Amino acid sequence: SQTIHQWPATLVQPVGSPLSLECTVEGTSNPNLYWYRQAAGRGLQLLFYSVGIGQISSEVPQNLSASRPQDRQFILSSKKLLLSDSGFYLCAWSVNEWSREGEKLFFGSGTQLSVL
Amino acid sequence: AQTVTQSQPEMSVQEAETVTLSCTYDTSESNYYLFWYKQPPSRQMILVIRQEAYKQQNATENRFSVNFQKAAKSFSLKISDSQLGDTAMYFCAFMRGIQGAQKLVFGQGTRLTINP
Repeated sequence: SQTIHQWPATLVQPVGSPLSLECTVEGTSNPNLYWYRQAAGRGLQLLFYSVGIGQISSEVPQNLSASRPQDRQFILSSKKLLLSDSGFYLCAWSVNEWSREGEKLFFGSGTQLSVL
Repeated sequence: AQTVTQSQPEMSVQEAETVTLSCTYDTSESNYYLFWYKQPPSRQMILVIRQEAYKQQNATENRFSVNFQKAAKSFSLKISDSQLGDTAMYFCAFMRGIQGAQKLVFGQGTRLTINP
């Protein structure tokens, strides 16, 4: 069966420090990968998605970047964190074949990032 | 652009009662999917139910069912025989029915509390 791992679960970082959040998927190949952010008491907003190694699309302009160095690895980064980067970050994956219920997204357990 | 609106920020019912959560959406697409996700206190995003827009029959999953009114662009979730474990944030979400990266657009969420 497929599983998605996301770490760390919580992170407290000072303003101006770098960030690296990692997400890996097991049990599938060539998944679509996603990074979402959830501000306090709000819904989820799509930040980045990837349909293949090295292919990254950004949905909103921001202080963050994403990379996909391997098929099942998705990394969210920042060179210098801002206070506004605080939030709950969720990684997700989906099958990239529509005929195989590709419309279903499966989420990781999330990372609570606090920038102080 | 698609938008999803959940007009009930919070709801509270007694255990075993039936509760209906409201969701409306706006789109010019004819082929799309609608979802309800549950986010318990653990913050894990769990898919509750999905509806394909081209299907007139309302989706059901055990105690969960939807009332999909395509013309009215309404997609409500009914939880029957509510249980304490149903306490969670519930998010309505929209996805275009186009193969490629499957991007979810979320509503702001409804916080549901089931009281003993």
